[in-house]
Amino acid sequence: KQEVTQIPAALSVPEGENLVLNCSFTDSAIYNLQWFRQDPGKGLTSLLLIQSSQREQTSGRLNASLDKSSGRSTLYIAASQPGDSATYLCAVELGGAQKLVFGQGTRLTINP
Amino acid sequence: GAGVSQSPSNKVTEKGKDVELRCDPISGHTALYWYRQSLGQGLEFLIYFQGNSAPDKSGLPSDRFSAERTGGSVSTLTIQRTQQEDSAVYLCASSYFSSSIQYFGAGTRLSVL
Repeated sequence: KQEVTQIPAALSVPEGENLVLNCSFTDSAIYNLQWFRQDPGKGLTSLLLIQSSQREQTSGRLNASLDKSSGRSTLYIAASQPGDSATYLCAVELGGAQKLVFGQGTRLTINP
Repeated sequence: GAGVSQSPSNKVTEKGKDVELRCDPISGHTALYWYRQSLGQGLEFLIYFQGNSAPDKSGLPSDRFSAERTGGSVSTLTIQRTQQEDSAVYLCASSYFSSSIQYFGAGTRLSVL
């Protein structure tokens, strides 16, 4: 059974810092990995999708990497801003299964 | 166009009642997913529809849960004889095709008293 773990569960940093969120998964036979953000009381917003054949994806100040063989992904946020405060969720899709398996999320707080 | 729309946004019901939750996916998206988010369990997959294929119901927690998708568009998740443990936020997502980016609605917060 695929399990997804995110560390840390919560993170608080001052504005302007660069930071890394971690995601690990137990079954390397994934089809893709997605990073989402969730604001309180809202749905999920997709940030980045990395196909299993890719090593990284970038969007603005966000960079996500994938090491499928070791079962790890990282989300790098550069020059953090208070608006980045949210819960960040990592999810993997197993090959052929279509459904996503989510981690428990990292609650990020950026202090002005 | 518009994003994924879910209704109602909040639903309070009494234990034992049936509830229906609605999802309007993004127009043209062929894949539709239901997930449940609860404090103790995180985000869990419930059911997946792709075009006219038989749905993947492997995540439904009991036979009290069912879902349908009419005309390849709107979907309804039905929970019969609700229990307190059914209290959660029910999220719907759609994607242009399977295994592409999933776009989520804001969810329906269900409270069973």
